[in-house]
Order: sequence, then C-alpha cells, then structure tokens
Amino acid sequence: GESVGLHLPTLSVQEGDNSIINCAYSNSASDYFIWYKQESGKGPQFIIDIRSNMDKRQGQRVTVLLNKTVKHLSLQIAATQPGDSAVYFCAELHTGNQFYFGTGTSLTVIP
Amino acid sequence: EPEVTQTPSHQVTQMGQEVILRCVPISNHLYFYWYRQILGQKVEFLVSFYNNEISEKSEIFDDQFSVERPDGSNFTLKIRSTKLEDSAMYFCASSELAGSSTDTQYFGPGTRLTVL
Repeated sequence: GESVGLHLPTLSVQEGDNSIINCAYSNSASDYFIWYKQESGKGPQFIIDIRSNMDKRQGQRVTVLLNKTVKHLSLQIAATQPGDSAVYFCAELHTGNQFYFGTGTSLTVIP
Repeated sequence: EPEVTQTPSHQVTQMGQEVILRCVPISNHLYFYWYRQILGQKVEFLVSFYNNEISEKSEIFDDQFSVERPDGSNFTLKIRSTKLEDSAMYFCASSELAGSSTDTQYFGPGTRLTVL
C-alpha cells in the first residue's frame, strides 16, 4: 500500500546544533510535500513545502530536501532552539486534494 | 494574525450519541477540511469542502459523518451515532485559494472527542 513514514520516532539534539528529520514516501506519483510542526495541544503548523520539480527549498532556518530517486524527504533545522521542540510530520499529496501524513518524529531540544 | 478556531476544545459523549464539532475558518478562505488524529497515531484526512459541497472524502468519512457550512462563518462536522473508535482529536483546516490543492492549509487547535 501507499504510505508516508518516518525513520525515527524520536530525536534529541543540543540547543544550537542542527537537526535533521527524515521521511520516506512510497508513492512515486506524489508531487507535493509539506512539513508540519505540531506542538503539544495544538494543531499542525505549516513549516515549509516543496514540489516534485524541485530538490531543495530553503526557508528561515529550515531546509527541505527531496530525493525522488529514493523517495526520501528531509527537514533540516539550523541552530535548533528550545522552541523547536515538537512533533514534526511530513505530508504528501498524491490524489486530488487529500494529504497523507506520516506518523511524526518527536524532536526534543536539550538546553 | 487570522486563525482557525474550533469549539469545543473537549467534547465527552456517550456511545451512540450525536456530536457536532464546530469550526470557524479564516474569513477569506474558500476550502475547508476536517482531519482526525487518534492518540499517538498519524493525522488522517477526512473530508474537504468547497463551494458548499464535499470536494473529496476518505474511506473514514462514512455515512455516520456529515459536514455543513450553515452560515457564512461556521463549518461543522457531525457524527451521527458515535462509536468508541471515534475518540480522537479532530482538526479543522482552511486554505485561501479555490481550485488549488497545494495552497497552504491552516489548522485549528483541534477538538478532543472522547466517546464513553
């Protein structure tokens, strides 16, 4: 079946270090991907997106990399801060208007 | 900054009862969505709504579910006869552009539904 999944359920990093969160997807027809951040008790918050015709996109302190050959997506957070502690989801769009979410990686930033 | 709001924040109901979850999307948005997240699991798409009709729905969105935009501001999700397995966080989302499935979706804080 088609799925979006994450390699690591938890990730701990020291404040100031860079974080890398990975995501694997299985549907080669997916053409749009989003990374969401979800803090405890809140809804998902859009971080950054990327279309399948790109392999890299940068935002403020965040970079998304897309490797279509191996169907892999990553989120890089530079100079991780305590406020970055949250669960991070990738989501893919491959049929109409439906997004499929991964299970999430819990990022903990150690001060 | 405009935001999506949802009420109530927590709803407790008895199995078999009907519940209505309410959302107020961002005012100039045209696409509306419901998602659910069972505790510890992934966020799952339920339904999208545009121009006063369902645009897409998932397998989860069976005959027990319905959505409505009763006025110019509210967007509701009704579960007709709740089951224990309906217990989850329900998120409403909205996006600005019409006909653009890749437009950013803004999520509300969610309603926690507990079915006893």
